Amino acid sequence: DAKTTQPPSMDCAEGRAANLPCNHSTISGNEYVYWYRQIHSQGPQYIIHGLKNNETNEMASLIITEDRKSSTLILPHATLRDTAVYYCIVMKTSYDKVIFGPGTSLSVIP
Amino acid sequence: SAVISQKPSRDICQRGTSLTIQCQVDSQVTMMFWYRQQPGQSLTLIATANQGSEATYESGFVIDKFPISRPNLTFSTLTVSNMSPEDSSIYLCSVEAGYNEQFFGPGTRLTVL
Repeated sequence: DAKTTQPPSMDCAEGRAANLPCNHSTISGNEYVYWYRQIHSQGPQYIIHGLKNNETNEMASLIITEDRKSSTLILPHATLRDTAVYYCIVMKTSYDKVIFGPGTSLSVIP
Repeated sequence: SAVISQKPSRDICQRGTSLTIQCQVDSQVTMMFWYRQQPGQSLTLIATANQGSEATYESGFVIDKFPISRPNLTFSTLTVSNMSPEDSSIYLCSVEAGYNEQFFGPGTRLTVL
């Protein structure tokens, strides 16, 4: 079973920041938090990952709480193309099998 | 990054037949994974395929139903055998190509009548 909990759906206005929460209260010290997204009819796409420090790349920022029991994915300026299902996943390494939960369906609204 | 292609992209098959799905990667990779995504659902891992060894299947999936081949480091096949309408799904392969992320193929959309 997935080791994370996410809200099933969220809306965000176009141009605003989208903040997607994830709970992973049973995360181990050597497990990373990964985020992937799946745009309709496409394969999942990697977004970002982190261990305990906050991370930022060209797509998003990842904020991990100090106790590592939860995290937030931030899309700073959401566009319509960011409408997708977002999956928060806990893994030891990128070689691990990815166990997908139901994810959060994000709708960006004009 | 790794570029993955899958063939066929979609197919419509008759009950009781089998379909073999191909997954081709543009670089050599150690681990390949096969997933199923049923309509409206999340992805479910079917098996892990390493070159030179038998695939490792997840609970609920068996080799007789989903035989997998991994003849080299850039290619794998998944066969869906003796299909029924419940096998109608999108089948995806993924790889870890040494970039701290997994890359997913575009998927094969299978409809069984």
